[in-house]
Amino acid sequence: AQSVTQLGSHVSVSEGALVLLRCNYSSSVPPYLFWYVQYPNQGLQLLLKYTTGATLVKGINGFEAEFKKSETSFHLTKPSAHMSDAAEYFCAGAGNNRKLIWGLGTSLAVNP
Amino acid sequence: GAGVSQSPRYKVAKRGQDVALRCDPISGHVSLFWYQQALGQGPEFLTYFQNEAQLDKSGLPSDRFFAERPEGSVSTLKIQRTQQEDSAVYLCASSLAQDQPQHFGDGTRLSIL
Repeated sequence: AQSVTQLGSHVSVSEGALVLLRCNYSSSVPPYLFWYVQYPNQGLQLLLKYTTGATLVKGINGFEAEFKKSETSFHLTKPSAHMSDAAEYFCAGAGNNRKLIWGLGTSLAVNP
Repeated sequence: GAGVSQSPRYKVAKRGQDVALRCDPISGHVSLFWYQQALGQGPEFLTYFQNEAQLDKSGLPSDRFFAERPEGSVSTLKIQRTQQEDSAVYLCASSLAQDQPQHFGDGTRLSIL
């Protein structure tokens, strides 16, 4: 069975500090992997995606993620957090049937 | 339109009433998905359409939930005889194809009293 696990339901960083949100997947087939961000009372917005090719994926708002097959990970990073990055972040994966399996989300707080 | 549009944004209904939630996908998007998102949780898949065909409805929690997309564009999610546990945000997403990134609407927040 496919699953997506986000480690840490809440992450707090200081403004300007590194952001690291962890995501691990389990899949019997090479996955498609996505990170979405959700601001309060809004839908989900795609940050970045990995399908095939380059394992380091750059997304919007300065975020990037690296697909590491050996670690079954797809962690999201940003070198310097901004106050506007405070939101809920969801990792999602899709196997051969392309149905998205979602992590439970990580709430990111950015402190001044 | 520019994005996925859902209406209404907020819906309050009494237990036992029927509700209908509308989704206008991005023009030209073949795939349409409905999700249910409980407070503090990730989205849970409900159903998937490719054009007008409902190819997967495995996530619908009961036979009180019904979705349609008769002309392959606008979709309606109907919940009959609503229960309190139906209270959630219902998200609609569309994509060019099933394996392409999904674009989400802002959701309908349903509260059952």
